[in-house]
Amino acid sequence: EAEVAQSPRYKITEKSQAVAFWCDPISGHATLYWYRQILGQGPELLVQFQDESVVDDSQLPKDRFSAERLKGVDSTLKIQPAELGDSAMYLCASSQSHEQYFGPGTRLTVT
Amino acid sequence: AQSVTQLDSQVPVFEEAPVELRCNYSSSVSVYLFWYVQYPNQGLQLLLKYLSGSTLVKGINGFEAEFNKSQTSFHLRKPSVHISDTAEYFCAVSVDDNDMRFGAGTRLTVKP
Repeated sequence: EAEVAQSPRYKITEKSQAVAFWCDPISGHATLYWYRQILGQGPELLVQFQDESVVDDSQLPKDRFSAERLKGVDSTLKIQPAELGDSAMYLCASSQSHEQYFGPGTRLTVT
Repeated sequence: AQSVTQLDSQVPVFEEAPVELRCNYSSSVSVYLFWYVQYPNQGLQLLLKYLSGSTLVKGINGFEAEFNKSQTSFHLRKPSVHISDTAEYFCAVSVDDNDMRFGAGTRLTVKP
């Protein structure tokens, strides 16, 4: 069964450092999403791609976050510099037929 | 914009008892509705979805949900829960593929 892949699964970094997360969606899924999930809350959309184009990044803190999907397949989310408040689970999803398929997530801890 | 309210943050229940997790939504247009389950340190897994048609939707692991348009609700039910159902459950609503909103989650704890 096809799955969304994410790496790393866990990341610990010090504040002010740079960190990057990678996502490989299910093959053939044109739409890709990055979510942030703070402990005890539901996921919140950071950015949505349609192929290589950004559809929605209204909730992405652009002063420190960036996302790209250069070839319209896999995607990278970067944070620079990381802040303590960025500690969260970062989830990637891809969609088809109104259904979003989620990866296992990257648990980020900023110290 | 659409929004979701999950009415219970925590639901404790004994094994083999029935359970209902409540979800209300707000939207001025027709919506798609979803229930996801999340186990610790994992991503979200789709339990069931309502897109159109029959208002009673059956999903995986014995769960079902009923779409009630007049009450703007989409409550999740299971007639008999197992220890393995202990997890976080999220209700979600979208108008189209571009804007899915999640509730804050309900922590279901099944006790022996």
